[in-house]
Amino acid sequence: SQQGEEDPQALSIQEGENATMNCSYKTSINNLQWYRQNSGRGLVHLILIRSNEREKHSGRLRVTLDTSKKSSSLLITASRAADTASYFCATDEDGANNLFFGTGTRLTVIP
Amino acid sequence: GAGVSQTPSNKVTEKGKYVELRCDPISGHTALYWYRQSLGQGPEFLIYFQGTGAADDSGLPNDRFFAVRPEGSVSTLKIQRTERGDSAVYLCASSFQHKNIQYFGAGTRLSVL
Repeated sequence: SQQGEEDPQALSIQEGENATMNCSYKTSINNLQWYRQNSGRGLVHLILIRSNEREKHSGRLRVTLDTSKKSSSLLITASRAADTASYFCATDEDGANNLFFGTGTRLTVIP
Repeated sequence: GAGVSQTPSNKVTEKGKYVELRCDPISGHTALYWYRQSLGQGPEFLIYFQGTGAADDSGLPNDRFFAVRPEGSVSTLKIQRTERGDSAVYLCASSFQHKNIQYFGAGTRLSVL
């Protein structure tokens, strides 16, 4: 079963704008990760934030984590057409062997 | 290649047939995972291997699904008596050690007619 939910389900923005995606989850986690998927195929790992971290940056990506609200957000700044993809959050739970993925946000960046 | 390789990339079969899906993980990665992704959903866990053994197969939906990793490297996911509901993208991932970052292959799109 899937752990989290993401919103919005779909997001369409102009190139150069910022894109924000949100993820909510249900249980205690060790870390939360964000993945990107193009055309419904392989996932690419973007960033990992540990449960004791509140914010993390990587290039144009900024991730926040609020464990009290069981939520995370992914911000992509200065978006490009090449950022068009689906973005998934995935949680690593204590005692579980697998990642639990959210339902994903489909981002479209219009050139 | 340096990444996780999955073959075939697409597989079309008829209801009731047997299929095998192959995953070649990154060299040296001890942990291997299979996930299944239906249209519009996130990947869902099927099975996890540590070395040659299936450490957790709690995600396999029923006994028609089976997976092996006999030499601790390549893994094969086997589906017997396929049903139309088995149609999905089957993703394989590997990690250097369990709980490390998982690297995914491009997946096999299975279509059961």
